[in-house]
Amino acid sequence: DTEVTQTPKHLVMGMTNKKSLKCEQHMGHRAMYWYKQKAKKPPELMFVYSYEKLSINESVPSRFSPECPNSSLLNLHLHALQPEDSALYLCASSRLRTANTEAFFGQGTRLTVV
Amino acid sequence: AQTVTQSQPEMSVQEAETVTLSCTYDTSESDYYLFWYKQPPSRQMILVIRQEAYKQQNATENRFSVNFQKAAKSFSLKISDSQLGDAAMYFCAYRSLAGNNRKLIWGLGTSLAVNP
Repeated sequence: DTEVTQTPKHLVMGMTNKKSLKCEQHMGHRAMYWYKQKAKKPPELMFVYSYEKLSINESVPSRFSPECPNSSLLNLHLHALQPEDSALYLCASSRLRTANTEAFFGQGTRLTVV
Repeated sequence: AQTVTQSQPEMSVQEAETVTLSCTYDTSESDYYLFWYKQPPSRQMILVIRQEAYKQQNATENRFSVNFQKAAKSFSLKISDSQLGDAAMYFCAYRSLAGNNRKLIWGLGTSLAVNP
């Protein structure tokens, strides 16, 4: 199983809503990532979890709250978002302890904030 | 700080022909990884090919090969026998091996169209 599964695939939310994005992998990867991607642009790193602990926060606004409940799951909790937060949100995972550490990506959640 | 430059925002190729996408990077490090990722309209970012900087031999994966010139800091991707399914956004990325750095440095991407 080389899949990273993200749900939902599409999400429309109002600026006062609370929603969560979910990501799951069963490859035994101990590094998991959240990226934000605008159309025709490269992904922008938001958060990195290593061994279920937050290791990198790229100065992301607090309206985005990540959570890593276990080594297979990664959540991104959303609250009071702005229209400019509309984007594709990608989850990725990779191994940590070997040199062969390319990231495997999910298909993303297309988020629209109205 | 490392940077990655893809100087071709858009390219096109005829089906069955060969196309080369360029990527240059800047770094003071000697050990690192370079990647080419493909992102089709389905949105999933897919690894195409990986090159370890300490390896002189150019990486190949079926119809995809790279021309890695470490001294020139160049990492181009050659796609042979182009297929309609190759149409996608292609991103070049750099990853340092220093410490426990997990961050990928991305180029701005090249949008590849394949004409039948």
